[in-house]
Amino acid sequence: QVQLVQSGAEVKKPGASVKVSCKASGYTFTSYYMHWVRQAPGQGLEWMGIINPSGGSTSYAQKFQGRVTMTRDTSTSTVYMELSSLRSEDTAVYYCARGDYMDVWGKGTTVTVSS
Amino acid sequence: SYELTQPPSVSVSPGQTARITCSGDALPKKYAYWYQQKSGQAPVLVIYEDSKRPSGIPERFSGSSSGTMATLTISGAQVEDEADYYCYSTDSSGNLSGVFGGGTKLTVL
Repeated sequence: QVQLVQSGAEVKKPGASVKVSCKASGYTFTSYYMHWVRQAPGQGLEWMGIINPSGGSTSYAQKFQGRVTMTRDTSTSTVYMELSSLRSEDTAVYYCARGDYMDVWGKGTTVTVSS
Repeated sequence: SYELTQPPSVSVSPGQTARITCSGDALPKKYAYWYQQKSGQAPVLVIYEDSKRPSGIPERFSGSSSGTMATLTISGAQVEDEADYYCYSTDSSGNLSGVFGGGTKLTVL
């Protein structure tokens, strides 16, 4: 079945970077875009950006331009989201979600930024 | 930046119809998508392309869009439908820039 398996929880200090992975299975990896969405504690969903696993092209939300990088590895059907210059406000659950419709979601990766 | 506006909360009794709205300037040209999120869980797609229902989603969930407003309707809401609901769409720039509404807490009691 279609599945997105994300990497485990991370604890980072302010100023550091974090790289979250999302491994896809059960479908043709290069046929569907992948979104990244985050949710701070008690807050709503926030769209961060999208990557085309076929060619690697990306589009980022203006808020994250210059701080986020989305990449993919077609040999392992994995997409990555790296966020740099972390601050406490980046503490959130980070989700990957498949395709134009975001019809399949990963379970989320908790990133905690604390000194 | 582009915004989608949702009411913070909607409350209905079981069996009643719940309507959750989402307004945005680009909605006449862009599809709306709706997601249900229960506490501690990942979101689930309940409506795509304004009015289409994914397989496995109960028929009581429907969607519509007119002008700058999209609406999620839950006909005969059940207690298990109590959740946060988010609309999603893209802006009109053509560069795949997405945005979520602020979310609506649906209470069914």
